[in-house]
This record gives sequence, structure tokens and C-alpha cells, in this order.
Amino acid sequence: DAGVIQSPRHEVTEMGQEVTLRCKPISGHNSLFWYRQTMMRGLELLIYFNNNVPIDDSGMPEDRFSAKMPNASFSTLKIQPSEPRDSAVYFCASSPAETQYFGPGTRLLVL
Amino acid sequence: GIQVEQSPPDLILQEGANSTLRCNFSDSVNNLQWFHQNPWGQLINLFYIPSGTKQNGRLSATTVATERYSLLYISSSQTTDSGVYFCAVDPTGTASKLTFGTGTRLQVTL
Repeated sequence: DAGVIQSPRHEVTEMGQEVTLRCKPISGHNSLFWYRQTMMRGLELLIYFNNNVPIDDSGMPEDRFSAKMPNASFSTLKIQPSEPRDSAVYFCASSPAETQYFGPGTRLLVL
Repeated sequence: GIQVEQSPPDLILQEGANSTLRCNFSDSVNNLQWFHQNPWGQLINLFYIPSGTKQNGRLSATTVATERYSLLYISSSQTTDSGVYFCAVDPTGTASKLTFGTGTRLQVTL
């Protein structure tokens, strides 16, 4: 398997623009996670899905963030409107049970 | 929520040396994982080890759940071991809400 796939790998945008990050989990994994990593706050769980259903979104920072998983092989994390403080590396991970497998991340810079 | 502390925060080793990284957690856990984040940012799962001892090549890990700590041993370190090592825990037993520690940054020099 190719592992967890994320796109784009890098994104530079201006404040106020909409940003969409994409993730393809490992086939057969029934859980999917979105994380954000910053120097100040480390790795934080934003939201996770089980069998395509959002289970816990308590980590989503505010209403500007939204995530969807329309099917078992695709998820998006959207930020609208983006702000400079959203600059971070966003990771997607998937899991068949106890162990999580991370994608390469999307490095987002909001100017 | 659960607190995860890792020590030391930074570690510099010469190639060939051994090291022990520690993870303390504040509450009972049913899921504990060790990850390595390489210098390119990729997070690699090393061990799923809620209790007991596991070994994989030059790496081994031990979790003493009753005393709320886990240790990661790196033997005969290589420059490719450089990066940040994270411990992550979840009280629920699944991988549903991992809380990550702040990491140990390891640099292995020639």
C-alpha cells in the first residue's frame, strides 16, 4: 500500500482565502485523524472519524475549520477564511485499530 | 486531560552510543505509542506498547503501566536515528484520542 496520501504538500495563501487540504487513508483503515503541529502547541488532534462519521471534533479551533469524509477513501479539512495563525503543518493519519499511521503532512503558510 | 512528559528534551549522541528516552504520563492508559519524526517531518510509528516490552532491531521499548512510564532504548545509534521522538497515550484503549508529549529531540553525530 502507498500509505496515507496528503495533498498539497505545501500551500502558501493570503489571509482571508479558503484552504482545502486533502487526505486519502490507507485502504481498509476505518479511522481517520486530522492533526496540526506547531512549535508552540506541538501535535494537536483536531478531529477524528470512525467509519466516515465524525466522532470527536472538540479539537477544531473554531468555526472557520471544517472537515468532511464523504467516503472511506477521502477526507478534506477546510479553513475559511484563513488567518496567519493557522500556519502550521497539518497531518492526516489513519488506523485499523490501535496503531496510527501518518501521512507526510501539508505545510501551510498563511501570509 | 492526561499529561505526558518526556525527558530529556534534547539529546546529542555520538554514533554508536546507546540512549534511553523516558515518557511519564499522569493517568492510566490503555494505548501508548512511540513515534519518530525524521528531519523531513515524516512521523513513523515505532511501537504500540501499552504494557510490557518489545524489540525491533536496535530499538526496544518497555512500558510499566502500573507506574505510569515508558522507556525507549536506542542502541548503537546511527545518524539516521536523528529527529524527534514522541510518546503518545490514550486512556481509552483505542487509537481514538492520542495525546502527544512534547518530544525528545535527538541528534546523532559522527
